[in-house]
Formats: sequence, structure tokens, C-alpha cells
Amino acid sequence: QKEVEQDPGPLSVPEGAIVSLNCTYSNSAFQYFMWYRQYSRKGPELLMYTYSSGNKEDGRFTAQVDKSSKYISLFIRDSQPSDSATYLCAMSAYNFNKFYFGSGTKLNVKP
Amino acid sequence: NAGVTQTPKFQVLKTGQSMTLQCAQDMNHNSMYWYRQDPGMGLRLIYYSASEGTTDKGEVPNGYNVSRLNKREFSLRLESAAPSQTSVYFCASSESSSLDQPQHFGDGTRLSIL
Repeated sequence: QKEVEQDPGPLSVPEGAIVSLNCTYSNSAFQYFMWYRQYSRKGPELLMYTYSSGNKEDGRFTAQVDKSSKYISLFIRDSQPSDSATYLCAMSAYNFNKFYFGSGTKLNVKP
Repeated sequence: NAGVTQTPKFQVLKTGQSMTLQCAQDMNHNSMYWYRQDPGMGLRLIYYSASEGTTDKGEVPNGYNVSRLNKREFSLRLESAAPSQTSVYFCASSESSSLDQPQHFGDGTRLSIL
């Protein structure tokens, strides 16, 4: 069983839609959670970082952590064609030496 | 502001050839990392350097060696390339190896081994 599971998609939505991207994990020790966006032929870039549980909002993006369900989400409001990319989740814990990455969900926002 | 620069961007090797992938960062970061990205597998850590002068194995170190040449540069060497090492390789850096520090990635080296 993988430490982090992420639906590969592709997820195709019309412009302006609300997008929900999700990851589930198996290790209850995880407490650092990050979302990266990766455009085609580019490296991942950090979008959101949250510690422990709760929500964090940054513009059109909201990251949500539910530790009781071992589930994290990234919501994108008013999605734009420029949001078309692969979204990676990553997580770790205080005494770990690495991040565990999901395999990514490919999002396509149609004009 | 270049951030993390990787060279080359693309490379094709024959089985058994050797190759060094170069990475440099201009953010004065202490920690640097090498990952490989394969379809359906996510990013997997090969080696990392928490600070200048130190290197440690990650999740998939076999077949690779690294050198932290100075604070800016961290290279990855394949001594005898194998088809299983066909992948996209990403270098990343962060201010420290503390897990609350975000990692900044380069744009990758696409490596094919025939």
C-alpha cells in the first residue's frame, strides 16, 4: 500500500467551476501537508502549505486537512485555463527525513 | 532570478554509459535534493544534502552517487546507466532540511537510457 494515494485523473472541468483535488494517506503521524502545481515539462512549484489540521486560504485556493479521516483536499474557485496542470500533494512528519509525494492529479480547465 | 537550474534538459544514453546531472541554486539554500519522477509513482527521493559537506541516501539510492560540490551545486552521477533509470530527474533546494521548509524545484532533466 502506498503511503499517499492520489487519483491520477484526468479531471476535466469548464472554466469558472469549483475544483476539488484530494489525497488520502495511511500514516497518522503526518503533520506537514503541501500542495504543488506542475505544468507540463516544468518542475513542481509550491502552492499551499498547512500544518496539522484545518483550512488555509490563499486567493482562489483553499487547502483543507482532515486528520481524523486521513484526507486532504485542495479547492480551486473560479477555475481558469491557466490552472490546467498536474497537482501533487506531499506530506511528512517531524521526525521523518523526507516528504511522501502523491503521484499527481492532472487537471484540465476548458475555456 | 534563476532559482534552481538543471543541466542538461534532455539526454539519451546507451546502457552502461556514465553521466553526471548538474544542479545549481542561487537562493543561498543550505539543503539540496535529487528526485526522480516516474509515471504513477510520484516523486521519489534519491539522495539529499542537508548542508554543505553532508550527503545522505533517500528512498531509491541504488545506482546513483552524489557530490555536494559547494553550497550552490549538487550533482548526481550515474556510473553505469540502466534502462530502469529512464526517468525525469528533479533537483530541489530548501533553506534547511526542516520539513516545514518548502522545497524549490528545477525544471528537470529528461533522461532516456536505451
